Amino acid sequence: GAGVSQSPRYKVTKRGQDVALRCDPISGHVSLYWYRQALGQGPEFLTYFNYEAQQDKSGLPNDRFSAERPEGSISTLTIQRTEQRDSAMYRCASSPNPDQPQHFGDGTRLSIL
Amino acid sequence: AQKITQTQPGMFVQEKEAVTLDCTYDTSDPSYGLFWYKQPSSGEMIFLIYQGSYDQQNATEGRYSLNFQKARKSANLVISASQLGDSAMYFCAMRDGTDKLIFGTGTRLQVFP
Repeated sequence: GAGVSQSPRYKVTKRGQDVALRCDPISGHVSLYWYRQALGQGPEFLTYFNYEAQQDKSGLPNDRFSAERPEGSISTLTIQRTEQRDSAMYRCASSPNPDQPQHFGDGTRLSIL
Repeated sequence: AQKITQTQPGMFVQEKEAVTLDCTYDTSDPSYGLFWYKQPSSGEMIFLIYQGSYDQQNATEGRYSLNFQKARKSANLVISASQLGDSAMYFCAMRDGTDKLIFGTGTRLQVFP
């Protein structure tokens, strides 16, 4: 498809497990962003990349969260030792460059039991 | 600190009427961008319209227009000729010099026949 693709759509896991969320941006988009959206709230910034370089990770809540985009295309957001408070919708967005509007994927709904 | 404020938790409008969704922002950065996104009940985030801080004219995209009043720091979304399919959550967002988006809390719009 032509849009931002995220997988899995839903992830249910037990507290303490590690999870990896994948984002495949629109082809050719330089900039890739990760956001987290709680129910009834707007998305909150986590981190972003231009090409493979992580430009800003100021929104990552703690050191259990990390992200990478090794080849400047697909990105993975990893949460280690998950906690119940990590439950949320995780959204990825991409744009042709930082000045252009961001286009969002459908998100991964993460539930920690 | 950068902030987006949407003061209307919910709005109702009759089909075919126009509706204005309010958004005010705060930033000390002279260069910024303002965005509106639509989130239907199905959950996707759909980009609607963009206004740059240096743009002289208000942005328009089909039935959507952005009433940009720089001195008042407001960027209200106007939807003309509302349709039932416009029922959704609408988020205002700002991009400042750091390139991340800061979102408001959203306004839920209900269009009735």
